[in-house]
This record gives sequence, C-alpha cells and structure tokens, in this order.
Amino acid sequence: DAGVIQSPRHEVTEMGQEVTLRCKPISGHNSLFWYRQTMMRGLELLIYFNNNVPIDDSGMPEDRFSAKMPNASFSTLKIQPSEPRDSAVYFCASSLVGTPLHFGNGTRLTVT
Amino acid sequence: DAKTTQPPSMDCAEGRAANLPCNHSTISGNEYVYWYRQIHSQGPQYIIHGLKNNETNEMASLIITEDRKSSTLILPHATLRDTAVYYCIVRVVPGGYNKLIFGAGTRLAVHP
Repeated sequence: DAGVIQSPRHEVTEMGQEVTLRCKPISGHNSLFWYRQTMMRGLELLIYFNNNVPIDDSGMPEDRFSAKMPNASFSTLKIQPSEPRDSAVYFCASSLVGTPLHFGNGTRLTVT
Repeated sequence: DAKTTQPPSMDCAEGRAANLPCNHSTISGNEYVYWYRQIHSQGPQYIIHGLKNNETNEMASLIITEDRKSSTLILPHATLRDTAVYYCIVRVVPGGYNKLIFGAGTRLAVHP
C-alpha cells in the first residue's frame, strides 16, 4: 500500500500564475479530502468528495480555488490566479466511509 | 461537533509514559473521540478512537472518563520519535462522512 500520494512536494510560483496540486488516494478509498495548513490558521478543511462527488466545499476560500475528482484514483486542487496569501502546505487525505483518514505528506506551496 | 480543549504544550522524558489530556465537556452521546498526531513536515496520522470504553492498540491507549467529558491519550513508553502535535477531535460518525475539523492540538516534546 503506497499510501496517499501527492505531487509535487514543493511548488514555487509567482503571483498570478495558475497552480495545480495533485492527489492519488489509496486504492479502494471512496472519500477524499483537501486540507490547507498555515501557522496562523492551522489545518483547515477546504473540500471533500464522496464517490467522486463534491459533498462540501464550504471551506474553499474563494472562487480562485477549484477542485475536481474525475475518477476514483485522482484529484486536483487548482488555484487561479495564485496570490502570496495562498502560501501554505496543502494536504490530501482519503478514507473508506466510516474509517479513519489517511493523509499524504503534503505539497508546500510558495507564491512570491 | 463538540469542541475540545487541550494544553498547548507538554514535555515528557524518553521512556516514560506521556499522558495527553483532552476536555470535551459538551460531547453528545453519539460522538466519538479521535486522536491524530502530526510529526514535523508530515501529514496527520491516525492514532486511536473510542466512544465510551477504553481502547488500546499498538500505538497508544485511550482512557475516556465515565461521564465522557474528558479523555487521556497515553503513550506508554515515549520515544524521541513521538515528538509531534497531538490533536483530539470529537465528531459524530454520520451515515457516511468522515469530515474532521482540527483544533490547535498539544505540542508534545519528548526529551532524552
């Protein structure tokens, strides 16, 4: 079991650029979550999917953020255009409904 | 979901038991207590969860008071690798979804 795989591990981009973060959940898991972590705000839930369908996106900060899950083995979180305040570590997690979440090791995003 | 209160930081000597408290005085009868930890630069890791009985696994023990208003996570023989932020989360497990909301947690430092 390879665990939740996120790519890239680090991303540095300039303000205004589009950023795409990727996540491959654990095979067989049917729930997927995107979190963001900063020193000021801690771990925040952005959005989660169940069976590839977005269930709750109330944590998405604004329209610049979008997430998709085209199939059970892949999800993306896109920021367009990016801003310096989007700098954070973004975590993806997956689970089977009713079981604990498994987290990836995150993508550290720096927007200059 | 009920709120939790944890001390911001704790120390423990290597080889000794680490006892991490969590207060959840407004917990409802159908809410579980979950513990996760986050080692520096990694994603959160599930440790243990329980409803009202004490639980033990290969990582830790969870002691829940009879009135369920507080709990203690016990790491029986702490090692340097247990240095991490520990999160206590109270949540209902509804029909399907595992949404977890993280607080600030307790920063545990294990020293030689």
